[in-house]
Amino acid sequence: DSGVTQTPKHLITATGQRVTLRCSPRSGDLSVYWYQQSLDQGLQFLIQYYNGEERAKGNILERFSAQQFPDLHSELNLSSLELGDSALYFCASSPRQGGMSEAFFGQGTRLTVV
Amino acid sequence: DQQVKQNSPSLSVQEGRISILNCDYTNSMFDYFLWYKKYPAEGPTFLISISSIKDKNEDGRFTVFLNKSAKHLSLHIVPSQPGDSAVYFCAASLYSPGNQFYFGTGTSLTVIP
Repeated sequence: DSGVTQTPKHLITATGQRVTLRCSPRSGDLSVYWYQQSLDQGLQFLIQYYNGEERAKGNILERFSAQQFPDLHSELNLSSLELGDSALYFCASSPRQGGMSEAFFGQGTRLTVV
Repeated sequence: DQQVKQNSPSLSVQEGRISILNCDYTNSMFDYFLWYKKYPAEGPTFLISISSIKDKNEDGRFTVFLNKSAKHLSLHIVPSQPGDSAVYFCAASLYSPGNQFYFGTGTSLTVIP
């Protein structure tokens, strides 16, 4: 158990819908990172938050948004869903801002868009 | 465009032998590299890192080699154990320690007892 909790584990939804993925970081971790892993692809960096503020942005679509709340949990909102958004979405947390080598990943949320 | 490539989707090795996992990258500005291990139904776990100022980093049975001129890195596992069977990802960042990492597609390693 990495200490990073992602909910839900699985999600099936229809095209055009909106979903929210939730991530609870390890206790004491201030950074949260979101990654998307599509079929046969490497993990694609989406966005990072540190202590409530956006710190780095990757290839995140405009239909996607994220935030980190005062209690440090984070949510990734995906709207106007398309079939191509079906993927495994990982959240990771670390104590520091640039701490991927110290980061722990959650088990991921598998999103299926039908 | 995949900036980090792992061209071998899978690798099988006998227990006790050396496993060599390879990773190539296209962006010469990458400065910091990580290797992750991933078991089924789990998130990736950090394994070992290397900065571009080094060409080798060791941690127990795991050694990472970096060849900047060839834009190539490799992970050596010696000796390989059945518990090493997992998917291995390499990742690269433009600076150290880095926030945004570019991941390869992974190599599935099977260590045969």
